[in-house]
Amino acid sequence: QQQVKQSPQSLIVQKGGIPIINCAYENTAFDYFPWYQQFPGKGPALLIAIRPDVSEKKEGRFTISFNKSAKQFSLHIMDSQPGDSATYFCAASYGFQKLVFGTGTRLLVSP
Amino acid sequence: DSGVTQTPKHLITATGQRVTLRCSPRSGDLSVYWYQQSLDQGLQFLIQYYNGEERAKGNILERFSAQQFPDLHSELNLSSLELGDSALYFCASSDVQGSNEKLFFGSGTQLSVL
Repeated sequence: QQQVKQSPQSLIVQKGGIPIINCAYENTAFDYFPWYQQFPGKGPALLIAIRPDVSEKKEGRFTISFNKSAKQFSLHIMDSQPGDSATYFCAASYGFQKLVFGTGTRLLVSP
Repeated sequence: DSGVTQTPKHLITATGQRVTLRCSPRSGDLSVYWYQQSLDQGLQFLIQYYNGEERAKGNILERFSAQQFPDLHSELNLSSLELGDSALYFCASSDVQGSNEKLFFGSGTQLSVL
């Protein structure tokens, strides 16, 4: 019940495409859903986050869509660029409980 | 640069040995978290410290231990190492006191157990 299931495992899109990464959770107590971006040789870095009181949040080219009833949330990257090639992790937590991470999606944006 | 410093960057050792990984959090951050990242398990939470005290424990083996010192740096001790302990170990610190809502990760320590 503490798991966050992430898909796909890897994704290849062309420059300008809109990659979509999906995550699903079971624990309805989760109230914070961040996405982290990780480049090779670096630690994950917070990209964008959402709480369940809103269905969508945009920051630049990155959008989180949140479906509370389906217990799913997704990351969309508009006008993707080769520099967006990285591994993306979704996560979830509540209160002061630990962040539970998905297994990651390796994104490659081809020029 | 996240401001979180981890040393060493790489560590190669043999089975049965003991190693210590070190982490310095961002200036002002009181919380330190340790995560293990492996190809098949993703990011697994090990343990959290807040201002010197253990706050939360995750999937940390009994062979592993950690502590946070008065200057807020933290060390993760791994003993009786096994091949399966080979992984990337990340330290993170939080900018919201006691909360894990925004974590700043270091660049990690790559541990190879041969």
